[in-house]
Amino acid sequence: RKEVEQDPGPFNVPEGATVAFNCTYSNSASQSFFWYRQDCRKEPKLLMSVYSSGNEDGRFTAQLNRASQYISLLIRDSKLSDSATYLCVVNYGNTGKLIFGQGTTLQVKP
Amino acid sequence: EPEVTQTPSHQVTQMGQEVILRCVPISNHLYFYWYRQILGQKVEFLVSFYNNEISEKSEIFDDQFSVERPDGSNFTLKIRSTKLEDSAMYFCARGKTTGPQVNYGYTFGSGTRLTVV
Repeated sequence: RKEVEQDPGPFNVPEGATVAFNCTYSNSASQSFFWYRQDCRKEPKLLMSVYSSGNEDGRFTAQLNRASQYISLLIRDSKLSDSATYLCVVNYGNTGKLIFGQGTTLQVKP
Repeated sequence: EPEVTQTPSHQVTQMGQEVILRCVPISNHLYFYWYRQILGQKVEFLVSFYNNEISEKSEIFDDQFSVERPDGSNFTLKIRSTKLEDSAMYFCARGKTTGPQVNYGYTFGSGTRLTVV
């Protein structure tokens, strides 16, 4: 089983749509959880951390279910500029090592 | 917050040659990392570096790889004898704060594209 698993997509949605991405992780000792965004051939950029209570940042909502080892990202009112690959990332251990999923590609169309 | 700067942005090298990739993080940060991403694949952890020592390394980080912080600001990744399969984007990263503080995520550099021919 992959350490962090995501549906690679692509997800093709119209502007204004709501889209949800899911992610599962295999190590129950995982401590920290993130969604990163990566544009083509660019570095990953932190979108948001994910907390057990769920958290929201503008149009983006992240949820964590530790019992099911499941993380989600919801994007409301999609913009053309949201087109990118969204990376589910987890951390465990004390050295700060991050484990990345394969990424889910989102294409928002006019 | 200042970005992490990596040089060069692109390097082409012949198989068997040594390459040194450079990263300039903020000098008062203690935790640094190297990751790589082969084209079309996921980002993979290579090594973490704390207080001038390796704190963890992956299976990828074999004897051909080494890291240094030679002058307290630059952070380098050296590949002694490059192989074709070393072709990838290499990203340097540092914590968002001066400690490991992984809950706050990392800042990644813009990367070095290494092409081994």
